[in-house]
Amino acid sequence: LAKTTQPISMDSYEGQEVNITCSHNNIATNDYITWYQQFPSQGPRFIIQGYKTKVTNEVASLFIPADRKSSTLSLPRVSLSDTAVYYCLVGEAAGNNRKLIWGLGTSLAVNP
Amino acid sequence: GAGVSQSPSNKVTEKGKDVELRCDPISGHTALYWYRQRLGQGLEFLIYFQGNSAPDKSGLPSDRFSAERTGESVSTLTIQRTQQEDSAVYLCASSLGFGALFFGSGTQLSVL
Repeated sequence: LAKTTQPISMDSYEGQEVNITCSHNNIATNDYITWYQQFPSQGPRFIIQGYKTKVTNEVASLFIPADRKSSTLSLPRVSLSDTAVYYCLVGEAAGNNRKLIWGLGTSLAVNP
Repeated sequence: GAGVSQSPSNKVTEKGKDVELRCDPISGHTALYWYRQRLGQGLEFLIYFQGNSAPDKSGLPSDRFSAERTGESVSTLTIQRTQQEDSAVYLCASSLGFGALFFGSGTQLSVL
């Protein structure tokens, strides 16, 4: 399974765009990239998933370069409520979620 | 229900006692997962149920841990003879067997 590397923490201010980059050099052909968000005292919440190029939903965008060895989660115009831990995971979208490796994630602090 | 429900939300117990944690998955979700999350850490896979298949127990840390699931409904995670190192948040997630995981809010277990 592809191991991921992401910054331990990031700081931002309200209204700014935040980009969190995740490295996954050993990503396999069948692997998708998935991001989860976790608030204190809650379970993680699915944000976005992609395979290549760009994916956008109402919450975030996910940019994946052609070599797929990294990905960037982009949060537009963050607010205080976006303060959370963000996890980058790599694995087959069709199953084997139990084999996903959850690292420490990136702790994002949004300041007023 | 609308989401994954876990109970109790908090459990304080004495070392050596048994505890039982409950998870109600989203209706129709065939897959159910239990994870453990220690303070400031990522998620640690414990056990996985998929339909009527034999559960994947490969993540259970010791034989003091066990889990059951009746059909595609409620699951219980039992920890016998609790130890202080069992203190953590126990998270349950369900899915359709592929794609995104939907998590409950977890049970905070404190072993004194």
